[in-house]
Amino acid sequence: DGGITQSPKYLFRKEGQNVTLSCEQNLNHDAMYWYRQDPGQGLRLIYYSQIVNDFQKGDIAEGYSVSREKKESFPLTVTSAQKNPTAFYLCASSRTGEANYGYTFGSGTRLTVV
Amino acid sequence: AQSVTQPDIHITVSEGASLELRCNYSYGATPYLFWYVQSPGQGLQLLLKYFSGDTLVQGIKGFEAEFKRSQSSFNLRKPSVHWSDAAEYFCAVGVTSFQKLVFGTGTRLLVSP
Repeated sequence: DGGITQSPKYLFRKEGQNVTLSCEQNLNHDAMYWYRQDPGQGLRLIYYSQIVNDFQKGDIAEGYSVSREKKESFPLTVTSAQKNPTAFYLCASSRTGEANYGYTFGSGTRLTVV
Repeated sequence: AQSVTQPDIHITVSEGASLELRCNYSYGATPYLFWYVQSPGQGLQLLLKYFSGDTLVQGIKGFEAEFKRSQSSFNLRKPSVHWSDAAEYFCAVGVTSFQKLVFGTGTRLLVSP
C-alpha cells in the first residue's frame, strides 16, 4: 500500500546539534510539506515543496532547512539555530495543484532536546 | 490572511450522545474545507472535505459536516459517539494560491462512559 513513512518515530537531540528527520512517500505525489505541532497551537507550516529541486519557506522556517533531490524524499534538518526544537513533526504530501484535495500525513517524529 | 478558529479546546461527550465540533474560517474566496482526526502520537487522517455543491458532506466513521457560508462555519457532527472517537480533531482551509492548508488549533474530544 502507498503511504508516507517518517523516521525515526522518536529522536533526541543535544543542545547545539543538527538532526535530520526523514520523510519518504511512494504515492507519486509531487508536493510535500513539513508541519510542526505544539500543544494548543495546531499545525504550523515549516517548508513545502511542489516539485523536485524547489521548495518554499512556510510560516516558521527559521532554524530549519530542507532538500528535495528526489520526488519521493523530503528530509527536514533541525539546526542548532532553532532555539526551541522540542515538538512533534509531521510530514505530508499531495498531488501538485491539488493540495486542496487534502493531504496524506505520515505518523510523525517526536523530537526532544536533552 | 486566511485563518481557522476552533473555539473549543476540549469537549467531553457521553458515549452514545450526539457531537458537534465548531469551526469558523476567514477566507476571501470560496473555501476548500477539511476535517482531520488525530489519535495520540499519530499522524492526521482525513475525515471529510468540502469543495462545492451540496453543503452537507458525509465522511468516514459516520461523521458529517455542514458548510454555512453566511456564518463562515463548517461544523463537524456525529449522531452517536463511540469511545473510539476520542481523539483530537482539526479543521483546515485550503489556500489555493499557495497550495497549502491552514489548520485550526484543534479540539480534543473526550468520551465518558
